[in-house]
Amino acid sequence: DAGVTQSPTHLIKTRGQQVTLRCSPKSGHDTVSWYQQALGQGPQFIFQYYEEEERQRGNFPDRFSGHQFPNYSSELNVNALLLGDSALYLCASQPPGSAYNEQFFGPGTRLTVL
Amino acid sequence: DQQVKQNSPSLSVQEGRISILNCDYTNSMFDYFLWYKKYPAEGPTFLISISSIKDKNEDGRFTVFLNKSAKHLSLHIVPSQPGDSAVYFCAASGNYGQNFVFGPGTRLSVLP
Repeated sequence: DAGVTQSPTHLIKTRGQQVTLRCSPKSGHDTVSWYQQALGQGPQFIFQYYEEEERQRGNFPDRFSGHQFPNYSSELNVNALLLGDSALYLCASQPPGSAYNEQFFGPGTRLTVL
Repeated sequence: DQQVKQNSPSLSVQEGRISILNCDYTNSMFDYFLWYKKYPAEGPTFLISISSIKDKNEDGRFTVFLNKSAKHLSLHIVPSQPGDSAVYFCAASGNYGQNFVFGPGTRLSVLP
């Protein structure tokens, strides 16, 4: 079992560009959440996808959007990148009917905005 | 406004001794508290949790204590081992997993 995988590992973009990050959940998991972890801070909840729909959303602007595919994999899109978007982006998946203690995290994608 | 606070950015402990990591929260609606451990280049991994109806939960070397009146929880690791060296995040959520919030983390170093 590969666990939660994320691609790419690292990414460098410039201000104003758009970026797409990808996540494949652990086998058997149907719910995917995305987090932003800025340097020296804890992960901040962006949103959660279940059955291809956004189920919950944190305090992030509309520039942050996502998608979940029928195979449960997910994408995080960020438009009009700002310097402050530089962070580690974590994806977490959990099995059907589970609580947050059953979240499994991927290793993250490090995004640098210049 | 930080709803979950970990006021010690770092902690060093001798191998074999007790490590105590602290966490404070401000939102009285939080119902479930979790601790995660994170090694470099890896995602956080779940360690232990506690429901607000309990004041203690134990799992092997790890014990979490919750003081609801003080809005404070702590993670005790006994005995500490060098492999425990990592960043520890405290997290909290509402009853149905809503408003899931992480603290900023405490870097624990266990010295041999």
